[in-house]
Amino acid sequence: AQSVTQLDSQVPVFEEAPVELRCNYSSSVSVYLFWYVQYPNQGLQLLLKYLSGSTLVKGINGFEAEFNKSQTSFHLRKPSVHISDTAEYFCAVSDSNSGYALNFGKGTSLLVTP
Amino acid sequence: GAVVSQHPSRVICKSGTSVKIECRSLDFQATTMFWYRQFPKKSLMLMATSNEGSKATYEQGVEKDKFLINHASLTLSTLTVTSAHPEDSSFYICSASRQARDTQYFGPGTRLTVL
Repeated sequence: AQSVTQLDSQVPVFEEAPVELRCNYSSSVSVYLFWYVQYPNQGLQLLLKYLSGSTLVKGINGFEAEFNKSQTSFHLRKPSVHISDTAEYFCAVSDSNSGYALNFGKGTSLLVTP
Repeated sequence: GAVVSQHPSRVICKSGTSVKIECRSLDFQATTMFWYRQFPKKSLMLMATSNEGSKATYEQGVEKDKFLINHASLTLSTLTVTSAHPEDSSFYICSASRQARDTQYFGPGTRLTVL
Protein backbone atom coordinates (compact mmCIF):
# COMPACT_ATOMS: atom_id res chain seq x y z
CA ALA A 1 0.00 0.00 0.00
CA GLN A 2 1.15 3.53 -0.69
CA SER A 3 1.33 6.36 1.79
CA VAL A 4 2.18 10.05 1.86
CA THR A 5 3.68 11.94 4.78
CA GLN A 6 3.85 15.68 5.01
CA LEU A 7 6.22 16.28 7.85
CA ASP A 8 5.11 19.79 8.77
CA SER A 9 1.52 20.66 9.56
CA GLN A 10 2.26 24.38 9.70
CA VAL A 11 5.08 26.45 8.25
CA PRO A 12 5.30 30.15 9.17
CA VAL A 13 7.62 32.23 7.03
CA PHE A 14 8.31 35.90 6.39
CA GLU A 15 7.55 37.49 3.06
CA GLU A 16 10.38 37.19 0.50
CA ALA A 17 12.04 34.38 2.45
CA PRO A 18 12.61 30.95 0.87
CA VAL A 19 10.43 28.02 1.88
CA GLU A 20 10.52 24.24 1.62
CA LEU A 21 7.50 22.05 2.28
CA ARG A 22 8.45 18.44 2.85
CA CYS A 23 6.78 15.35 1.46
CA ASN A 24 7.80 11.72 1.71
CA TYR A 25 6.02 8.78 0.17
CA SER A 26 6.09 5.01 0.09
CA SER A 27 4.96 2.71 -2.69
CA SER A 28 5.86 -0.69 -4.04
CA VAL A 29 5.55 0.43 -7.66
CA SER A 30 6.41 3.46 -9.76
CA VAL A 31 4.55 6.54 -8.65
CA TYR A 32 3.23 9.78 -9.97
CA LEU A 33 3.68 12.71 -7.58
CA PHE A 34 1.76 15.94 -7.28
CA TRP A 35 1.57 19.12 -5.28
CA TYR A 36 -1.76 20.94 -5.02
CA VAL A 37 -2.63 24.25 -3.35
CA GLN A 38 -5.96 25.02 -1.73
CA TYR A 39 -7.12 28.50 -0.84
CA PRO A 40 -9.87 28.87 1.80
CA ASN A 41 -13.23 27.40 0.75
CA GLN A 42 -11.95 26.54 -2.70
CA GLY A 43 -11.03 23.42 -4.59
CA LEU A 44 -7.52 22.29 -5.36
CA GLN A 45 -5.23 23.82 -7.94
CA LEU A 46 -2.38 21.82 -9.41
CA LEU A 47 1.00 23.40 -8.73
CA LEU A 48 3.18 20.79 -10.39
CA LYS A 49 3.53 17.10 -11.07
CA TYR A 50 6.16 14.48 -11.62
CA LEU A 51 5.29 11.67 -14.01
CA SER A 52 8.69 10.71 -15.41
CA GLY A 53 11.83 12.25 -16.84
CA SER A 54 13.66 15.14 -15.22
CA THR A 55 13.58 14.94 -11.46
CA LEU A 56 13.40 18.71 -11.07
CA VAL A 57 9.90 19.87 -11.83
CA LYS A 58 8.90 23.49 -12.22
CA GLY A 59 5.35 24.57 -11.61
CA ILE A 60 3.17 27.62 -11.45
CA ASN A 61 3.64 30.64 -9.19
CA GLY A 62 7.41 30.10 -8.99
CA PHE A 63 7.25 26.75 -7.20
CA GLU A 64 9.45 23.79 -7.98
CA ALA A 65 9.92 20.32 -6.56
CA GLU A 66 12.56 17.64 -6.83
CA PHE A 67 11.81 13.95 -7.04
CA ASN A 68 14.37 11.97 -5.04
CA LYS A 69 13.81 8.27 -5.52
CA SER A 70 16.49 7.12 -3.08
CA GLN A 71 15.01 9.24 -0.31
CA THR A 72 11.42 8.74 -1.50
CA SER A 73 10.85 12.45 -1.25
CA PHE A 74 9.19 15.16 -3.31
CA HIS A 75 9.81 18.40 -1.45
CA LEU A 76 8.27 21.64 -2.67
CA ARG A 77 10.36 24.82 -2.75
CA LYS A 78 10.03 28.47 -3.57
CA PRO A 79 12.97 30.90 -3.34
CA SER A 80 10.92 33.93 -2.31
CA VAL A 81 7.36 33.74 -1.02
CA HIS A 82 4.58 36.32 -1.20
CA ILE A 83 1.73 37.03 1.15
CA SER A 84 -0.59 35.58 -1.49
CA ASP A 85 1.12 32.18 -1.13
CA THR A 86 -0.61 31.73 2.21
CA ALA A 87 -2.69 28.58 1.71
CA GLU A 88 -2.90 24.86 2.38
CA TYR A 89 -0.54 22.71 0.35
CA PHE A 90 -1.15 19.03 -0.33
CA CYS A 91 1.29 16.46 -1.60
CA ALA A 92 -0.32 13.51 -3.36
CA VAL A 93 0.76 10.23 -4.91
CA SER A 94 -0.89 7.88 -7.33
CA ASP A 95 0.11 4.59 -8.88
CA SER A 96 -1.30 1.77 -10.91
CA ASN A 97 -2.21 -0.26 -7.82
CA SER A 98 -4.61 2.46 -6.69
CA GLY A 99 -6.22 2.87 -10.09
CA TYR A 100 -4.43 6.20 -10.26
CA ALA A 101 -6.64 7.68 -7.56
CA LEU A 102 -4.80 10.31 -5.55
CA ASN A 103 -3.67 9.57 -2.03
CA PHE A 104 -3.19 12.86 -0.23
CA GLY A 105 -0.94 13.84 2.60
CA LYS A 106 -2.48 15.64 5.56
CA GLY A 107 -1.50 19.03 4.20
CA THR A 108 0.85 21.80 5.25
CA SER A 109 -0.50 25.19 6.14
CA LEU A 110 1.85 27.88 4.82
CA LEU A 111 1.49 31.23 6.55
CA VAL A 112 3.39 34.13 5.04
CA THR A 113 3.65 37.27 7.13
CA PRO A 114 5.12 40.70 6.38
CA GLY B 1 -8.35 24.40 -20.53
CA ALA B 2 -9.19 21.59 -18.12
CA VAL B 3 -11.90 23.34 -16.15
CA VAL B 4 -14.16 21.44 -13.78
CA SER B 5 -17.28 22.95 -12.26
CA GLN B 6 -19.45 21.83 -9.38
CA HIS B 7 -23.02 22.75 -8.62
CA PRO B 8 -24.21 23.85 -6.19
CA SER B 9 -21.29 25.51 -4.44
CA ARG B 10 -23.17 25.53 -1.17
CA VAL B 11 -26.29 23.72 0.03
CA ILE B 12 -28.15 23.61 3.30
CA CYS B 13 -30.76 20.93 3.79
CA LYS B 14 -32.86 19.32 6.48
CA SER B 15 -32.00 15.98 7.97
CA GLY B 16 -33.58 13.13 6.03
CA THR B 17 -33.61 14.83 2.64
CA SER B 18 -31.48 13.92 -0.38
CA VAL B 19 -29.02 16.24 -2.06
CA LYS B 20 -27.55 15.95 -5.53
CA ILE B 21 -24.18 17.47 -6.42
CA GLU B 22 -23.10 17.81 -10.04
CA CYS B 23 -19.55 17.71 -11.35
CA ARG B 24 -18.90 18.80 -14.91
CA SER B 25 -15.79 18.86 -17.08
CA LEU B 26 -16.36 21.97 -19.17
CA ASP B 27 -13.74 21.75 -21.86
CA PHE B 28 -12.63 18.15 -22.00
CA GLN B 29 -14.05 14.66 -21.89
CA ALA B 30 -13.48 12.90 -18.61
CA THR B 31 -13.36 9.14 -18.74
CA THR B 32 -12.74 9.04 -15.01
CA MET B 33 -14.08 11.18 -12.20
CA PHE B 34 -13.25 10.99 -8.53
CA TRP B 35 -15.22 12.12 -5.51
CA TYR B 36 -13.49 13.28 -2.34
CA ARG B 37 -14.67 14.43 1.03
CA GLN B 38 -12.81 16.94 3.15
CA PHE B 39 -13.43 17.60 6.82
CA PRO B 40 -12.42 20.94 8.37
CA LYS B 41 -8.65 21.35 8.50
CA LYS B 42 -8.23 17.83 7.21
CA SER B 43 -6.98 16.26 4.05
CA LEU B 44 -9.08 14.89 1.23
CA MET B 45 -10.40 11.39 1.55
CA LEU B 46 -11.26 9.52 -1.61
CA MET B 47 -14.84 8.29 -1.56
CA ALA B 48 -15.20 6.67 -4.95
CA THR B 49 -13.90 6.44 -8.48
CA SER B 50 -16.30 6.49 -11.37
CA ASN B 51 -15.68 5.59 -14.98
CA GLU B 52 -18.11 6.72 -17.65
CA GLY B 53 -20.74 4.10 -18.26
CA SER B 54 -19.66 1.86 -15.39
CA LYS B 55 -20.59 1.46 -11.77
CA ALA B 56 -18.53 3.47 -9.34
CA THR B 57 -15.84 1.84 -7.24
CA TYR B 58 -16.24 2.83 -3.61
CA GLU B 59 -13.49 3.03 -1.03
CA GLN B 60 -13.69 0.89 2.05
CA GLY B 61 -16.03 2.36 4.62
CA VAL B 62 -18.05 4.44 2.15
CA GLU B 63 -21.70 3.40 1.99
CA LYS B 64 -22.64 2.98 -1.65
CA ASP B 65 -26.36 3.09 -0.88
CA LYS B 66 -25.96 6.40 0.88
CA PHE B 67 -23.63 8.08 -1.57
CA LEU B 68 -25.00 7.33 -5.01
CA ILE B 69 -22.64 8.13 -7.86
CA ASN B 70 -23.63 8.28 -11.49
CA HIS B 71 -21.27 8.97 -14.39
CA ALA B 72 -23.64 8.85 -17.32
CA SER B 73 -21.66 10.95 -19.77
CA LEU B 74 -18.08 12.00 -20.45
CA THR B 75 -18.70 15.43 -18.99
CA LEU B 76 -21.00 14.82 -16.04
CA SER B 77 -20.89 12.89 -12.81
CA THR B 78 -23.35 13.26 -9.95
CA LEU B 79 -23.12 12.46 -6.26
CA THR B 80 -26.41 12.06 -4.42
CA VAL B 81 -26.32 12.03 -0.64
CA THR B 82 -29.47 10.14 0.32
CA SER B 83 -31.28 10.66 3.61
CA ALA B 84 -28.67 13.14 4.71
CA HIS B 85 -27.80 13.50 8.39
CA PRO B 86 -25.75 16.15 10.21
CA GLU B 87 -22.69 13.90 10.18
CA ASP B 88 -22.75 14.07 6.38
CA SER B 89 -22.01 17.78 6.57
CA SER B 90 -18.72 18.30 4.81
CA PHE B 91 -16.90 19.78 1.84
CA TYR B 92 -17.31 17.52 -1.19
CA ILE B 93 -14.84 17.90 -4.04
CA CYS B 94 -14.80 16.16 -7.39
CA SER B 95 -11.99 15.77 -9.87
CA ALA B 96 -11.92 14.69 -13.48
CA SER B 97 -9.29 13.24 -15.75
CA ARG B 98 -9.21 12.34 -19.41
CA GLN B 99 -7.95 8.89 -18.58
CA ALA B 100 -7.45 7.25 -15.19
CA ARG B 101 -3.71 7.85 -15.14
CA ASP B 102 -3.88 11.43 -16.37
CA THR B 103 -3.73 14.55 -14.27
CA GLN B 104 -6.82 15.16 -12.18
CA TYR B 105 -8.44 18.57 -12.38
CA PHE B 106 -10.47 19.57 -9.38
CA GLY B 107 -13.79 21.30 -9.07
CA PRO B 108 -14.27 24.19 -6.61
CA GLY B 109 -16.08 22.02 -4.10
CA THR B 110 -19.57 21.91 -2.58
CA ARG B 111 -20.18 22.81 1.04
CA LEU B 112 -23.00 20.63 2.41
CA THR B 113 -24.62 21.53 5.70
CA VAL B 114 -27.30 19.22 7.07
CA LEU B 115 -29.44 20.69 9.82
